[in-house]
Amino acid sequence: EAEVAQSPRYKITEKSQAVAFWCDPISGHATLYWYRQILGQGPELLVQFQDESVVDDSQLPKDRFSAERLKGVDSTLKIQPAELGDSAMYLCASSLGVRAEAFFGQGTRLTVV
Amino acid sequence: GENVEQHPSTLSVQEGDSAVIKCTYSDSASNYFPWYKQELGKRPQLIIDIRSNVGEKKDQRIAVTLNKTAKHFSLHITETQPEDSAVYFCAASNPGGSNYKLTFGKGTLLTVNP
Repeated sequence: EAEVAQSPRYKITEKSQAVAFWCDPISGHATLYWYRQILGQGPELLVQFQDESVVDDSQLPKDRFSAERLKGVDSTLKIQPAELGDSAMYLCASSLGVRAEAFFGQGTRLTVV
Repeated sequence: GENVEQHPSTLSVQEGDSAVIKCTYSDSASNYFPWYKQELGKRPQLIIDIRSNVGEKKDQRIAVTLNKTAKHFSLHITETQPEDSAVYFCAASNPGGSNYKLTFGKGTLLTVNP
């Protein structure tokens, strides 16, 4: 069964350092989402791509976060510099379209120390 | 933008009882409402979804109802089992400009006691 792949699974970084996460969506899925999930809360959308274009990044802290999906396939999410409050699970999801089922990856658990 | 409220935040039931989780949404243009189950340490997985052209959908022990007028939808789990214990998230897909985005509720921790 096809899955959304994310790496790394876990990341510990010091504050003010740069960190990057990678996501490979299910083949053929045009829509890709990056969510942040703080422990005990629901996923919060950071950025949404349709193919290689950003269609929503209204909740992305653009002073420190960036995301790209250059060829419309895999995507990277970067934080620079990391802050203590960035500690969370970062989930990537993909879907055939915006109103189709979104499949989630296993996530990257980030701890900023 | 869309706001999804989910209640209760925690729910404890005895095995065999029913569980109901309720969500409200703010954007009347939303038209796709999925429910996700997230077990501890695992990824959220879709368990059922409903589109705005129907009022109810059922899949074995799970059912979802939608009231578009009141802008609320609910998840019903009957004959609960210990393996139903997890966090459940509702979501609503609403148009943001020319594109739709999926907004999640804060989740309900369901505990089924044997």
